[in-house]
Amino acid sequence: QKEVEQDPGPLSVPEGAIVSLNCTYSNSAFQYFMWYRQYSRKGPELLMYTYSSGNKEDGRFTAQVDKSSKYISLFIRDSQPSDSATYLCAMSAGNYGQNFVFGPGTRLSVLP
Amino acid sequence: DGGITQSPKYLFRKEGQNVTLSCEQNLNHDAMYWYRQDPGQGLRLIYYSQIVNDFQKGDIAEGYSVSREKKESFPLTVTSAQKNPTAFYLCASRQDNTGKTQYFGPGTRLLVL
Repeated sequence: QKEVEQDPGPLSVPEGAIVSLNCTYSNSAFQYFMWYRQYSRKGPELLMYTYSSGNKEDGRFTAQVDKSSKYISLFIRDSQPSDSATYLCAMSAGNYGQNFVFGPGTRLSVLP
Repeated sequence: DGGITQSPKYLFRKEGQNVTLSCEQNLNHDAMYWYRQDPGQGLRLIYYSQIVNDFQKGDIAEGYSVSREKKESFPLTVTSAQKNPTAFYLCASRQDNTGKTQYFGPGTRLLVL
């Protein structure tokens, strides 16, 4: 079993739809959870950062962490064609020397 | 304007040639990382450095080498021993090594002639 699992997609939705992106993980020590957005041929940019369980909202984006289920989600409301990108989840235990573990990414297309 | 820069944007390598990818950051971050990204495989860690003059191998270090002589610079050399170097290479940095967020450069695409 991989440490972080993420459906690679592609996921196609119409403009204005609510998008749900998810990752599952196996390491219960993970405490820091990130979502990155990566446009084609560009470096990933940090979208959301969450510590431990709970929800965090930033504009049209909401990140959820359920540590009991080892499951994290990113919701995009009122999706726009400019949201078309690959979304990577990442997580870390936070201990000194502990590196990040990335999911393979989900490719999202928002159709006008 | 703080950030991470990588150069060149595109790099071509001939058979048997070593090439060096540049990564510079002005964020005053302690830790720096090199990842390789292949289609459908996500990010794989090549090397990382938590402090100047110290670095560790990641998951796929064979055929690569790095140096960390300055805090702001972490160049990656792709040696001739790396038989399948065609990929998108991403450099990243983190303020310290205690789990906080990681920031990425724009990437270098390496192609073999």
